[in-house]
Amino acid sequence: AQKVTQAQTEISVVEKEDVTLDCVYETRDTTYYLFWYKQPPSGELVFLIRRNSFDEQNEISGRYSWNFQKSTSSFNFTITASQVVDSAVYFCALSLGIGTASKLTFGTGTRLQVTL
Amino acid sequence: SAVISQKPSRDICQRGTSLTIQCQVDSQVTMMFWYRQQPGQSLTLIATANQGSEATYESGFVIDKFPISRPNLTFSTLTVSNMSPEDSSIYLCSVAWGRETQYFGPGTRLLVL
Repeated sequence: AQKVTQAQTEISVVEKEDVTLDCVYETRDTTYYLFWYKQPPSGELVFLIRRNSFDEQNEISGRYSWNFQKSTSSFNFTITASQVVDSAVYFCALSLGIGTASKLTFGTGTRLQVTL
Repeated sequence: SAVISQKPSRDICQRGTSLTIQCQVDSQVTMMFWYRQQPGQSLTLIATANQGSEATYESGFVIDKFPISRPNLTFSTLTVSNMSPEDSSIYLCSVAWGRETQYFGPGTRLLVL
């Protein structure tokens, strides 16, 4: 069975600091997707990024960057120059197979608090 | 991505009653999912609802407790039956857009007294 571990329960940083959220996954399947979602205090779940198991290229989108390493089964998420609006719970998730949506297995989430 | 709405956004219910949650999408989608997020917890899949077939339930969830309807490609309902305080959660529907990525509705916050 697949599993996603987010060891960091809560992180507090001061605005403009960089912060990395860790995600480690377990699966015996060779084809899968990895996701990051953001859940702000309002409660909705916002999709941030998807990577498939064949694509280990790191990705940067504005202040966000993602580091996918199959060798360590990790898919870490870095926010550069954090802002108060980044305060939220961030979930890493895994789904099996390629080309179709399937059950998402979520980690327990990391609560990020950014203060002034 | 699709625009997803849920009704009600929140509700307070008495134990023993049932609540039906609606999920509406502005585009036709094949796959819809229902998740539960208990207070302070992560999300757990309840069932997958594909139009034209019976919903597929995950281990620990049964149709008698969480009946699901999927009458067309833009709409689904989840009923939480015979509620107890342990059912207090956020219930979220999601749709598969572009086949691989799930986008979530705003959620329904349920409190059972």
